[in-house]
Amino acid sequence: GAVVSQHPSWVICKSGTSVKIECRSLDFQATTMFWYRQFPKQSLMLMATSNEGSKATYEQGVEKDKFLINHASLTLSTLTVTSAHPEDSSFYICSASVDILGATDTQYFGPGTRLTVL
Amino acid sequence: GNSVTQMEGPVTLSEEAFLTINCTYTATGYPSLFWYVQYPGEGLQLLLKATKADDKGSNKGFEATYRKETTSFHLEKGSVQVSDSAVYFCALGSQGGKLIFGQGTELSVKP
Repeated sequence: GAVVSQHPSWVICKSGTSVKIECRSLDFQATTMFWYRQFPKQSLMLMATSNEGSKATYEQGVEKDKFLINHASLTLSTLTVTSAHPEDSSFYICSASVDILGATDTQYFGPGTRLTVL
Repeated sequence: GNSVTQMEGPVTLSEEAFLTINCTYTATGYPSLFWYVQYPGEGLQLLLKATKADDKGSNKGFEATYRKETTSFHLEKGSVQVSDSAVYFCALGSQGGKLIFGQGTELSVKP
């Protein structure tokens, strides 16, 4: 149980194009989804928190107009990197969690999406 | 603010050696504590967790005890295998369900 998938697993795009990454909770309904970015050999940096049906909350320093997050349902969240540039190349990871008794429980992570912008 | 500090890697061990990866935290209140593992090319997997002081999380031979008095959550395993080679992240649960991660410790186990 508690499986989270991401699609695509890797993507290569040209500079200036937009890329959409999907995150799905396969066997549970996720109250909250999180998007992280990970640079090589570094820790995860939280980008934003999203709840179904409401606007995402972005961490300080993350451009909300560049990284568009949509949380359309309890099982799907998408991250769109708009007008991507080489510096956006990174490993993007989502996670999903379920609120239990008003508190967010364990996060379950997707396998990640490797984005390379040429 | 809340933070997590892990021992720096990489850590290189021989198979069957004893493993300790240190993790200390700074937090208000009593957050849940987690260890996640990331195998090469993959996303993070929850390894174990503890939700209150003196709790011991355990999984796949790994253990960690929530020590309030030393604000620590050190990861241990008595006998590592080559398949344990991965990056290990200590994390604490923060407000709104967020996780605050340590910098990660790379473990390499040689046959």
